[in-house]
Amino acid sequence: DGGITQSPKYLFRKEGQNVTLSCEQNLNHDAMYWYRQDPGQGLRLIYYSQIVNDFQKGDIAEGYSVSREKKESFPLTVTSAQKNPTAFYLCASSIFQKNQPQHFGDGTRLSIL
Amino acid sequence: DAKTTQPPSMDCAEGRAANLPCNHSTISGNEYVYWYRQIHSQGPQYIIHGLKNNETNEMASLIITEDRKSSTLILPHATLRDTAVYYCIVRVASNTGKLIFGQGTTLQVKP
Repeated sequence: DGGITQSPKYLFRKEGQNVTLSCEQNLNHDAMYWYRQDPGQGLRLIYYSQIVNDFQKGDIAEGYSVSREKKESFPLTVTSAQKNPTAFYLCASSIFQKNQPQHFGDGTRLSIL
Repeated sequence: DAKTTQPPSMDCAEGRAANLPCNHSTISGNEYVYWYRQIHSQGPQYIIHGLKNNETNEMASLIITEDRKSSTLILPHATLRDTAVYYCIVRVASNTGKLIFGQGTTLQVKP
């Protein structure tokens, strides 16, 4: 089955530690996105990538980094510079045609120890 | 992107049609209407989208008024598994990709 796989489902980070969240898709989608969701709130865009080896900052990129070395993969690193990393992180992908919908993975919940 | 307004909550009896309204009175001509839903602790699920014509797929129907200032998502035979938060989003097709999720409508399907 085609889809978007995020791992791990739950992740715990110690203070001062970097962690990497995985996002893989087998939908042959060109564009991939990372969002953050806080309790009771909407999604906020962290980074997005429309093609391999290129990515753009979203609204809240500070404290995060990404790479896009393969079409299928778009990992997100939460660095120690992100002072409030506890949140639900969602990865999405879409065909790079302007009205096409984004499809989401099931998310990774990050907590600070 | 245009702002949307949805009722905070709705109830629906199992087996009946659920009609979820969305107001987008400031929508412009090149903005699409998208519907997603999110079940607790899961990622949003795409349901349907449209520009100006009514649309139907295996999950739902989308009815957009002629002036495009409002729309209705119809789940024809609601089940308990349709209990979720439903989001109506308006987005310009040329937008770089950001989806703006508002507060949505919490639909509770009751037996």
